[in-house]
Order: sequence, then C-alpha cells, then structure tokens
Amino acid sequence: EIVLTQSPDFQSVTPKEKVTITCRASRSIGNGLHWYQQKPDQSPKLLIKYASQSISGVPSRFSGSGSGTDFTLTINSLEAEDAATYYCQQSVDLPMYTFGQGTKLEIK
Amino acid sequence: QVQLVESGGGVVQPGGSLRLSCAASGFTLRNYGMHWVRQAPGKGLEWLSFIRNDESDVYYRESVRGRFTVSRDNSKNTLYLQMNSLRPEDTAVYYCVKDWALAAIIFESWGQGALVTVSS
Repeated sequence: EIVLTQSPDFQSVTPKEKVTITCRASRSIGNGLHWYQQKPDQSPKLLIKYASQSISGVPSRFSGSGSGTDFTLTINSLEAEDAATYYCQQSVDLPMYTFGQGTKLEIK
Repeated sequence: QVQLVESGGGVVQPGGSLRLSCAASGFTLRNYGMHWVRQAPGKGLEWLSFIRNDESDVYYRESVRGRFTVSRDNSKNTLYLQMNSLRPEDTAVYYCVKDWALAAIIFESWGQGALVTVSS
C-alpha cells in the first residue's frame, strides 16, 4: 500500500498569505496525485488532477506541482473562504487508492 | 449539472445489513466509473470500492472485501452499495463519487453523503 504523508497537519494563516501543503508518497507514483478541498460540513471537491492540472471552476490561486514522491499544493493570496481540510490522493496503486491524512487550514 | 444523491443510510446493529443507493443525474452514468468513499466521524477520507461503467471491473479495499458489494443499474441511473456483516468501525458518512473518466481513479463529483451508524 502506498502511504501518503501530508505536512503540516494543521496550519493557521492570515488572508493574502501564500500557503504550501506537501504530500509525500512512500514510493514513486509518477504524476498520479490529486488534491481535494473539504470545507466544514461539505463534501470534498476536486482541486487539482495529475499533480498540476487545473480543474475548471477552481480559482487560479490554487496550483499543484511535483512528481515521483514529492508533491505540493500552493494557494496564492489566501482568502477567508479557503478555510478547509485539504487531502491528496493517489490513483496508481491498484486497488488500494489512498488519501493523505489531511491538512487543516485555519484562517486567522 | 452533475448530481449524486445517496439514500439508505441509518442506524444498524453490529452484524446487520444496509443497502445504500445513489441516484445520478446530469450526466450519462454508463460512460463513467463510479466509487464509494467513506469518512468516519472526525476522520479522513477512505476509498472503499470502484465499479467500471460496464461492471467489467470491480475493486474493494481489503477491510470491506467479502462484506460489501457494489453494483449499478445504468438504465436506472443508480449505483448501489450492499453492506453486510457491519461492524462499529464501519460507522461513517458514505459518499457516492463519479470518476473523471472510465477508470481514472480521480474523484470528480461527490454526493452529499449518507450517514451509517453501526451500534447496539
């Protein structure tokens, strides 16, 4: 099973800050890494697919990068509405498709 | 727009059974793979099962294999999850999820979730 480890687990940030969340895979997964946002009491929402590909309707301040074992989700100029838990997920390890443990972003 | 509406959740005793349904609309169900993902209270996301558009491939995570069965009826635009031999650790919100494609294993659209509570 591929383990995805996100860091940090929790981050408290101020609006307009730049935020970086990392996701490390226990073995190489190429670009089979995707990012989701889950706001309180809501279902998750797809933010980024294949490590860096944008999703229609997702604000351009969200971007992704990385390949192999190390990946990053970047939020430029954070907004209050970005308070949420963010998850990475890998789509390579059939049939154990795993998520990271989540990173909770709190807006100060 | 894509809509996924789960139903069938509730409270069940350990060892009991429950069947979840997911009504899909806004897209052609037969063209997409579908998944079930769950989230225990206060915990992270856990992928459970995948079914290809034509049911030619079905996958489960280890902890539910043999107890859960996923199926679909494309003519009724509905996905199902039959859950047997339920355990307290199966308590979670269960999400019906549309794949980005046939089997990209990218969770493009999510339902609102159905709460399943396993308790005596």
